[in-house]
Amino acid sequence: DQQVKQNSPSLSVQEGRISILNCDYTNSMFDYFLWYKKYPAEGPTFLISISSIKDKNEDGRFTVFLNKSAKHLSLHIVPSQPGDSAVYFCAAVSGGSNYKLTFGKGTLLTVNP
Amino acid sequence: GAVVSQHPSRVICKSGTSVKIECRSLDFQATTMFWYRQFPKQSLMLMATSNEGSKATYEQGVEKDKFLINHASLTLSTLTVTSAHPEDSSFYICSADSGVNSYEQYFGPGTRLTVT
Repeated sequence: DQQVKQNSPSLSVQEGRISILNCDYTNSMFDYFLWYKKYPAEGPTFLISISSIKDKNEDGRFTVFLNKSAKHLSLHIVPSQPGDSAVYFCAAVSGGSNYKLTFGKGTLLTVNP
Repeated sequence: GAVVSQHPSRVICKSGTSVKIECRSLDFQATTMFWYRQFPKQSLMLMATSNEGSKATYEQGVEKDKFLINHASLTLSTLTVTSAHPEDSSFYICSADSGVNSYEQYFGPGTRLTVT
């Protein structure tokens, strides 16, 4: 049973436009969320995070929105750049001090020049 | 900063043999290290969590006698796949938590294991 779902396996956008990556979760105990970016043959790298007490967090071109009632979060990238092309993983935290990350399957973003 | 390395990046072994994968935090001390497994087009599945000097905590369904984890120091954790079988072929990724930034794990580049 997947507790973190990224229902779009892939997304293609034009350079300069907005990329919106979505993530849904089912476990109401999740209280912190992270987005990771992964290039082929490399490990995931941290991008941005959000606590469940907030509904928005912004860092440069990246903004994460959290809708707790809908158990939904999204990552907005604007403007999108070709170098943003990668697999994006949504991850959720549970467990407090002995925490663990639960990952979605990822969405492959392709930004076309 | 916050670099995690893994060695080897790729390994091919025969059924029945054991393989050791190393995970090192290069520029920080990792209070906790994690081992994940990723199947093609699937999410990263947590296998176990290890803290330096103590026994690893394994996720449900992960055989601790098959996947031996040793976290001997604050910068090194090893995963040994014992008596490997073809179904153990996968991409194994480690991560480390410095304990500084909330829940932010730093990932290694992964190890592609193929068991023939």
